[in-house]
Amino acid sequence: DVKVTQSSRYLVKRTGEKVFLECVQDMDHENMFWYRQDPGLGLRLIYFSYDVKMKEKGDIPEGYSVSREKKERFSLILESASTNQTSMYLCASRDRGSVYTFGSGTRLTVV
Amino acid sequence: AQKITQTQPGMFVQEKEAVTLDCTYDTSDPSYGLFWYKQPSSGEMIFLIYQGSYDQQNATEGRYSLNFQKARKSANLVISASQLGDSAMYFCAMSRMDSSYKLIFGSGTRLLVRP
Repeated sequence: DVKVTQSSRYLVKRTGEKVFLECVQDMDHENMFWYRQDPGLGLRLIYFSYDVKMKEKGDIPEGYSVSREKKERFSLILESASTNQTSMYLCASRDRGSVYTFGSGTRLTVV
Repeated sequence: AQKITQTQPGMFVQEKEAVTLDCTYDTSDPSYGLFWYKQPSSGEMIFLIYQGSYDQQNATEGRYSLNFQKARKSANLVISASQLGDSAMYFCAMSRMDSSYKLIFGSGTRLLVRP
C-alpha cells in the first residue's frame, strides 16, 4: 500500500514562528499536494508539485511556501505563522492511475 | 475555472436505507475525473469511488454508486443500505487531466446514520 506520512499529527506554534510541515510518500509519485481544511470550506489547495523542484500555487498560497528537493518529500512552510493559519493540513500524492492518497493530517494551532 | 458544489451541509438517514449526496461541478475541460471521499471523525480521507468524464457507465463500488449525469454536470453519490459506520463527512472532488492533476473539493456533506 502507498503510504503518505505527515511528520506531526498535532502542532502548537507561536505567532511569528517559522513552521515546517513535512510530507513523505513512498511510491515514487510525481504529483504531490498540500491542502488546508476548515469547517464549511472543504479542502482548499495551497500548493502542488508535479516534479522535483517544480511547484505551482494553488488557490490559497498567501502566507505559505513549499519545497520539493527530493521526489518523495514535499514540505509546506509557514514563513511567519499567524492565528488565521490555524487549521488542519493534509498532504496528498497521486499515482498515474488517478489514485490520490492522503496523509493522516496535521492539526496546527497558532497561538 | 473549475468548481465543485455540495449544497447539503448535513443529512440524516435511517440505518439500512439508501441516501443520495448531491454534487454538481463546473468545468470547461473535456477530460476530467470525479471522486468521492469519506472522512470519518479520525480525519483520514478514504477514497470511495471514481468516475472518468468519458466513462459511459456509472461507477459502482460495493454499496457506493456514482450517478453521473454529464449534461447536467452532476455526480451524486448513492449509498445503499446505510450502516452506522457510514456516519462521516463526504467530499466530492474533481481533477484535471493535465500535468498538474489538481484535485479540487466541494465543501462537504456531513452524513449521520440513525439506528
